Amino acid sequence: AQSVAQPEDQVNVAEGNPLTVKCTYSVSGNPYLFWYVQYPNRGLQFLLKYITGDNLVKGSYGFEAEFNKSQTSFHLKKPSALVSDSALYFCAVRVSILTGGGNKLTFGTGTQLKVEL
Amino acid sequence: SAVISQKPSRDICQRGTSLTIQCQVDSQVTMMFWYRQQPGQSLTLIATANQGSEATYESGFVIDKFPISRPNLTFSTLTVSNMSPEDSSIYLCSVVLWAHQETQYFGPGTRLLVL
Repeated sequence: AQSVAQPEDQVNVAEGNPLTVKCTYSVSGNPYLFWYVQYPNRGLQFLLKYITGDNLVKGSYGFEAEFNKSQTSFHLKKPSALVSDSALYFCAVRVSILTGGGNKLTFGTGTQLKVEL
Repeated sequence: SAVISQKPSRDICQRGTSLTIQCQVDSQVTMMFWYRQQPGQSLTLIATANQGSEATYESGFVIDKFPISRPNLTFSTLTVSNMSPEDSSIYLCSVVLWAHQETQYFGPGTRLLVL
């Protein structure tokens, strides 16, 4: 079975400060990890993914995430937050095809990011 | 990426009726999925839409309640049958593209309110 934990329901950050949204995962096999963002009344937008290679991955809108295999984590980060980053962020995991996984994505419960002036 | 459209974008329906949601993609896709996002909740996979054959449903979801069709590679429908207020959710279509087979891309969602 695979699972994702996002321990924080909400993260508050002042504009211009760095932000971190936490995600830990559990899978049997090599993970594929994803971050998605959902703005109010919108669908999910893909931000970034880790498949293999460099542990630090860069994505859209200045976001990045670091894959840490020993801590089974994939935290989302941004050096300087913007008010427009305020949204609901979802971490998701699936098992790589090479280790027997399919396409089923398992999502975390989501973290509401609020960036204030 | 690709343009994924869903119709309708939102609807308000009466208890006991059915609603069919359409998902159309403008690129070649390998897989299509339907998810439900209940108010304030995360996403739950309903089923994988298989081209030309019956969908593959996840535990807790059945074909009689959520019939799905996928007549070709780029189009699928999800019907929510005999609706009750508990079916009020956002329903999202997602796809895996030929060009980016590790990633699922999502449509804008259909917001359903059942009275």
